[in-house]
Amino acid sequence: DAGITQSPRHKVTETGTPVTLRCHQTENHRYMYWYRQDPGHGLRLIHYSYGVKDTDKGEVSDGYSVSRSKTEDFLLTLESATSSQTSVYFCATTPKPGTSGSSYNEQFFGPGTRLTVL
Amino acid sequence: AQSVTQPDIHITVSEGASLELRCNYSYGATPYLFWYVQSPGQGLQLLLKYFSGDTLVQGIKGFEAEFKRSQSSFNLRKPSVHWSDAAEYFCAVGAGGTSYGKLTFGQGTILTVHP
Repeated sequence: DAGITQSPRHKVTETGTPVTLRCHQTENHRYMYWYRQDPGHGLRLIHYSYGVKDTDKGEVSDGYSVSRSKTEDFLLTLESATSSQTSVYFCATTPKPGTSGSSYNEQFFGPGTRLTVL
Repeated sequence: AQSVTQPDIHITVSEGASLELRCNYSYGATPYLFWYVQSPGQGLQLLLKYFSGDTLVQGIKGFEAEFKRSQSSFNLRKPSVHWSDAAEYFCAVGAGGTSYGKLTFGQGTILTVHP
């Protein structure tokens, strides 16, 4: 499995406070993703990165920002947390196309961060 | 836009029985399809994937899936379920081109296994 860690693993915070979640990978994968998981919705893409300092929005990006200053780290920031952002957040990575002889690659997931906003 | 539907929110089977989890997708081009499994409190683990070629793909833990283009389906099967298969299962379709790697997931199917 890809070496993907997320920190913190659990966090409780109050409405209106800023929160930053960190994803760290040791696989040198080019692409990184942030998802949120909510019951009945599966996983939904928040933001993704296709290289250092190259990021783009996913389907549920409102209220979130990201940064990627180096290959191994992808940060997700909630500028002012709201109760609707209570969720489990997953980071994922995938190598660029053509790696390992494949035109496409699966994503590897981190263990998740459970965030509760009171 | 791509989408995935898993019609069954919750399925219960007896240990040793066969299993089929349904997945229907919508995608404009040849799809990249995945099944992931998530045990409680864990991350997602890849069971199998389909990119091209043989439409019946084998995965880990004795799972297989069949791609049927005419039905826009990618159903997951296992001939004999074990208690350890109890988990949540997600079907996903991947985008290509400039949206390379972006996955759209279904809502998930929770599998309960009775002894």
